[in-house]
Amino acid sequence: DVKVTQSSRYLVKRTGEKVFLECVQDMDHENMFWYRQDPGLGLRLIYFSYDVKMKEKGDIPEGYSVSREKKERFSLILESASTNQTSMYLCASSPTKKGQPYEQYFGPGTRLTVT
Amino acid sequence: GEDVEQSLFLSVREGDSSVINCTYTDSSSTYLYWYKQEPGAGLQLLTYIFSNMDMKQDQRLTVLLNKKDKHLSLRIADTQTGDSAIYFCAEIRMDSSYKLIFGSGTRLLVRP
Repeated sequence: DVKVTQSSRYLVKRTGEKVFLECVQDMDHENMFWYRQDPGLGLRLIYFSYDVKMKEKGDIPEGYSVSREKKERFSLILESASTNQTSMYLCASSPTKKGQPYEQYFGPGTRLTVT
Repeated sequence: GEDVEQSLFLSVREGDSSVINCTYTDSSSTYLYWYKQEPGAGLQLLTYIFSNMDMKQDQRLTVLLNKKDKHLSLRIADTQTGDSAIYFCAEIRMDSSYKLIFGSGTRLLVRP
């Protein structure tokens, strides 16, 4: 079974702190994604990566950065946390094989509260 | 635009059928997906349908695809209380990103 793990289920940080959210997948997937989920807004893509050291902005990258130094690990960084970044953060990975349904496998999520 | 649209809420009685609807925008999407999210958890893939299919059945789940109207539906037969969750439909962008575009989710409440 594909496993996507996230470093924390719950996190409380103060405004202005630097925050690292870690995600690891064990299926050798090329693509990895970071989303945030807010009530009534569904999932919004923050950043994604289709290869090591490659990154692309999603729909809402402002205030975030990412790092992908190894294929299995994709980190989301909040350089200076703000209260409007309080949210549920979901990491996902997917393969790039042709003929496959390209489904994304999700981690359990990190609920971040910024006070 | 890029919007995938779903109604926000559906309430059904246990044992009835549930039908969750979705409209999408990109006629070139090759796959469309239904994900389920239980409280406090990540998203779990329920099923997907390839764009050259009209229907896919998997036990209690039936997916119907109307490409002309860009309409996707998920029918859950004999709905159980364990089916209470948020259901997301999604379409895929077949560019280099393989991005999924998600709807806002439909919260299904199953009443005893």
